[in-house]
Amino acid sequence: KAGVTQTPRYLIKTRGQQVTLSCSPISGHRSVSWYQQTPGQGLQFLFEYFSETQRNKGNFPGRFSGRQFSNSRSEMNVSTLELGDSALYLCASGETRTTGYNEQFFGPGTRLTVL
Amino acid sequence: AQSVTQLDSHVSVSEGTPVLLRCNYSSSYSPSLFWYVQHPNKGLQLLLKYTSAATLVKGINGFEAEFKKSETSFHLTKPSAHMSDAAEYFCVVTPSGSARQLTFGSGTQLTVLP
Repeated sequence: KAGVTQTPRYLIKTRGQQVTLSCSPISGHRSVSWYQQTPGQGLQFLFEYFSETQRNKGNFPGRFSGRQFSNSRSEMNVSTLELGDSALYLCASGETRTTGYNEQFFGPGTRLTVL
Repeated sequence: AQSVTQLDSHVSVSEGTPVLLRCNYSSSYSPSLFWYVQHPNKGLQLLLKYTSAATLVKGINGFEAEFKKSETSFHLTKPSAHMSDAAEYFCVVTPSGSARQLTFGSGTQLTVLP
């Protein structure tokens, strides 16, 4: 199976702009989670989607939003970009079992630079 | 609430010597614990996981970790370091049975010296 893919891999934007990042999960996976990785704050959970519904949300401002499509592909959007939004954004997909641990598989990330 | 503390931000070892990366956790319920590795410009890869089965967990590439509830620790070890082990390692906790929201430690950068 192909792994988690994220596009684009690199992105440069200026303050005040908005950006959309895309994530394609592993085939058959219905759960998609997003994480932000910065040198200062480390890895932080943004949100998780399952069957087109946001199931979990981290502690980020409303400028950060996401959605999931019927084919499980997900997008996240950041509006009114700030310098502090410069980060590596990681997407993870997982199977959905009713019991046990659902391993999450991570994509390579999108490196966003805000100038 | 849950959290993990990785006690060392940087660890340097010589090739062929043992590796020890330390992790303490805090959780108000029975946790699931993981170690992930991140190589430069790559995504995160799962090394091993503890999900309330055996307390000594074996992972990929010769790594293992032991869950010690009395010490709230989940240290990662490897008997003999290889140059390819140089990477950043993350200890992660999540509520048992619900692995969708992972809480990451701050990471330990492992350097392997020739």
